Amino acid sequence: ETGVTQSPTHLIKTRGQQVTLRCSSQSGHNTVSWYQQALGQGPQFIFQYYREEENGRGNFPPRFSGLQFPNYSSELNVNALELDDSALYLCASSSGGASQETQYFGPGTRLLVL
Amino acid sequence: DQQVKQNSPSLSVQEGRISILNCDYTNSMFDYFLWYKKYPAEGPTFLISISSIKDKNEDGRFTVFLNKSAKHLSLHIVPSQPGDSAVYFCAASAMYSGGGADGLTFGKGTHLIIQP
Repeated sequence: ETGVTQSPTHLIKTRGQQVTLRCSSQSGHNTVSWYQQALGQGPQFIFQYYREEENGRGNFPPRFSGLQFPNYSSELNVNALELDDSALYLCASSSGGASQETQYFGPGTRLLVL
Repeated sequence: DQQVKQNSPSLSVQEGRISILNCDYTNSMFDYFLWYKKYPAEGPTFLISISSIKDKNEDGRFTVFLNKSAKHLSLHIVPSQPGDSAVYFCAASAMYSGGGADGLTFGKGTHLIIQP
């Protein structure tokens, strides 16, 4: 069974640029959630995709957008990068869109915005 | 307003003793609670979970206790081992309110250090 994978592992961008982060869900999972973890904080929910549709969203502006593909892999896109977007971005997959499904995390992508 | 709070940023425990990590929450809609362990440069690893219909769940050395009236949960690790040294996050989720998934709400984490 393949776990959750993310790419790239590290990324450096400058303010105003755009970035795309990628996630492959665990085998058998159809739900992907994205989180942002700033230094010294717990992960914060960005949004969730279930069967290729956005299924819920946290308190993040519209410049954070996403996609889920038929194979359930997912992308997180961030436009007009700001310095505060520097963080660890985590992807998690689960086997359903319900609240009592355990989410399994990938290793994360560390983004630095200069 | 933090809905999930881990008030101890760090905890030091001797190897072989019990480690107790605490977590408080404010949202009474939360119905599922999880503990994750995180090593540096890795993603969080799922440890154990508990539904709000239970007050205890055990898995090997790990036991989670839930006190709904106090809105408090705790993770017990017995016996503590050097490999348990990591940051532990408490997380919670709620039934959909009709607006879709709200994801997991995390605390800020507790850094557990197991001393030899």
